[in-house]
Amino acid sequence: DVQLVESGGGLIQPGGSLRLSCAASGFTITSHYMSWVRLAPGKGLEWVSVMHSAGKTLYADSVRGRFTISRDISENILYLQMNSLRVEDTALYYCVREGFGSSWSKYFDTWGQGTQVTVSS
Amino acid sequence: QSVLTQPPSVSGAPGQRVTISCTGSSSNIGAGFHVHWYQHLPGTAPKLLIYSNTNRPSGVPDRFSASKSGPSASLAITGLQAEDEADYYCQSFDSSLSGYVFGTGTKVTVL
Repeated sequence: DVQLVESGGGLIQPGGSLRLSCAASGFTITSHYMSWVRLAPGKGLEWVSVMHSAGKTLYADSVRGRFTISRDISENILYLQMNSLRVEDTALYYCVREGFGSSWSKYFDTWGQGTQVTVSS
Repeated sequence: QSVLTQPPSVSGAPGQRVTISCTGSSSNIGAGFHVHWYQHLPGTAPKLLIYSNTNRPSGVPDRFSASKSGPSASLAITGLQAEDEADYYCQSFDSSLSGYVFGTGTKVTVL
């Protein structure tokens, strides 16, 4: 079965750092584009970052320069390094797999259960 | 900030039909990027409901259907059931932002 399991969330002070992990099983993360999506309290879903199969990365304007997406191919794990955290980064962070759509069809076919990040003093 | 606009809420009685609109712009839906829909029940992972404008993944009931026209799209739920009470999001890609965009989300309430 295809599965994504996130970990690494927690309570952190503003300005601090956290690294989220996403362990994938049932497929290899290099065969799909992999993203992080977050859900802040009282708000809607927000895409955060993507890593393409070939390793290219993209970021939302709200996190560019502070967050870094990476992967460990041997362990089949996706990461999100979050630095200079802000209160507004508080959210449930989901690891998501992109389906095999065309360049015009980019959708998320598998979601993890999420890991909670709370930024507060 | 979401660049795709959805109504905050819609409601209907069991058995009725409800629709959710998703309005984008010339850099996302209007540019030809496909629209996808997700169902999110609190405490669970969001679930892909519709992909590539009109396609249902295996296991999604045919009560759910979607369409796209110009810079907008819509999701229809026919034969509304209590289990359909959830948040629904549209999603596409934006060429100006070089990123994925979600709708503002719509809460469906079954009366």
